[in-house]
Amino acid sequence: DTEVTQTPKHLVMGMTNKKSLKCEQHMGHRAMYWYKQKAKKPPELMFVYSYEKLSINESVPSRFSPECPNSSLLNLHLHALQPEDSALYLCASSRTPGGQETQYFGPGTRLLVL
Amino acid sequence: KQEVTQIPAALSVPEGENLVLNCSFTDSAIYNLQWFRQDPGKGLTSLLLIQSSQREQTSGRLNASLDKSSGRSTLYIAASQPGDSATYLCAVLYNFNKFYFGSGTKLNVKP
Repeated sequence: DTEVTQTPKHLVMGMTNKKSLKCEQHMGHRAMYWYKQKAKKPPELMFVYSYEKLSINESVPSRFSPECPNSSLLNLHLHALQPEDSALYLCASSRTPGGQETQYFGPGTRLLVL
Repeated sequence: KQEVTQIPAALSVPEGENLVLNCSFTDSAIYNLQWFRQDPGKGLTSLLLIQSSQREQTSGRLNASLDKSSGRSTLYIAASQPGDSATYLCAVLYNFNKFYFGSGTKLNVKP
């Protein structure tokens, strides 16, 4: 099973809402990633978790709060977002941290902030 | 900041043609380079991963080459098919877990 799942597929939220994105993999991977992709742009790395610990935060605003409750699950908590945060949010995982191996991507959550 | 550039931005070819997509990077001290495919509104599918010590990788009709010294990689697609239509992204890994993506080449293969 080489699948990374993400829920929900689509999300519409107001600027005062609190919501969460969920990512799950059952491949035994120990590195998980959040990316943000604006329309017609390449993905941009947001966070990296290595062995369930946050190892990279690419200067992401605090209104995005990642969480890795266990080795299979990665959440992204959203609060007080801005319309410019509307994008496709992609989760990925790899067998080990360090980037030497293939990253497997989920289908993404398309977020619209009104 | 490291930069990754892909040329052309868009490409339209008739079915059956062989084609080459280009990726260039400014810093040659890479760990690896990966080619991905992205269908509209979807996630990324890994096509080929080339480690810094390798020169090329092949999978089916796809062949990717890497020339670190010149800062270039090419993705060769043989006998293109309409199903190959997608955006192709290259991503370069410079250090621990930091991928830099190119802006992609949007490929359209006409039946």
